[in-house]
Amino acid sequence: NAGVTQTPKFRVLKTGQSMTLLCAQDMNHEYMYWYRQDPGMGLRLIHYSVGEGTTAKGEVPDGYNVSRLKKQNFLLGLESAAPSQTSVYFCASRTPSDRDYGYTFGSGTRLTVV
Amino acid sequence: AQSVTQLGSHVSVSEGALVLLRCNYSSSVPPYLFWYVQYPNQGLQLLLKYTSAATLVKGINGFEAEFKKSETSFHLTKPSAHMSDAAEYFCAVTFKIGFGGYNKLIFGAGTRLAVHP
Repeated sequence: NAGVTQTPKFRVLKTGQSMTLLCAQDMNHEYMYWYRQDPGMGLRLIHYSVGEGTTAKGEVPDGYNVSRLKKQNFLLGLESAAPSQTSVYFCASRTPSDRDYGYTFGSGTRLTVV
Repeated sequence: AQSVTQLGSHVSVSEGALVLLRCNYSSSVPPYLFWYVQYPNQGLQLLLKYTSAATLVKGINGFEAEFKKSETSFHLTKPSAHMSDAAEYFCAVTFKIGFGGYNKLIFGAGTRLAVHP
């Protein structure tokens, strides 16, 4: 049972480079989320999606773009990486029919921007 | 604005002692509340959740939490700490937003629990 899979697990970027983080879920969940985790700040919501073809901004969307072309995939893009984007990124998903609102998290992507 | 506050970024207890991790929330609508645990270099694992049923919620690994509306609190407790409980713990709330459902999860800053012999 794969659940939520994030790739890559680790990445080092130079300032100004671009990259895409991939989140894939095999649970047929409608809702997907991207969070970043920084020490002392918990997890902050970057962007989220409530269905294929839809996206919305979270708390800290600046410098990131997302796409949800397929229901099972949610991509997070950094067009021009900055050191402030050094963080651990988590993807999560859930189904709106889940009455307990259970979120499933991926294992994270550790990104360093130098 | 909705928010979550975890009191104490670091908590240290002796093995066998009571664990108490504090969480307070701010919300103008009824919240759903969660506690997650994160072990080093791992993702988040759900410990327990409150979704408007019983106010005392029991979770995995012997943890429990009580929803107190009058105090806007959802503190996490465990009667006897074990070395394996050392981890970071996050309180989280979800609120109803524009798309018609509870689909935004907001986290506290986290509390790192250390357990010493």
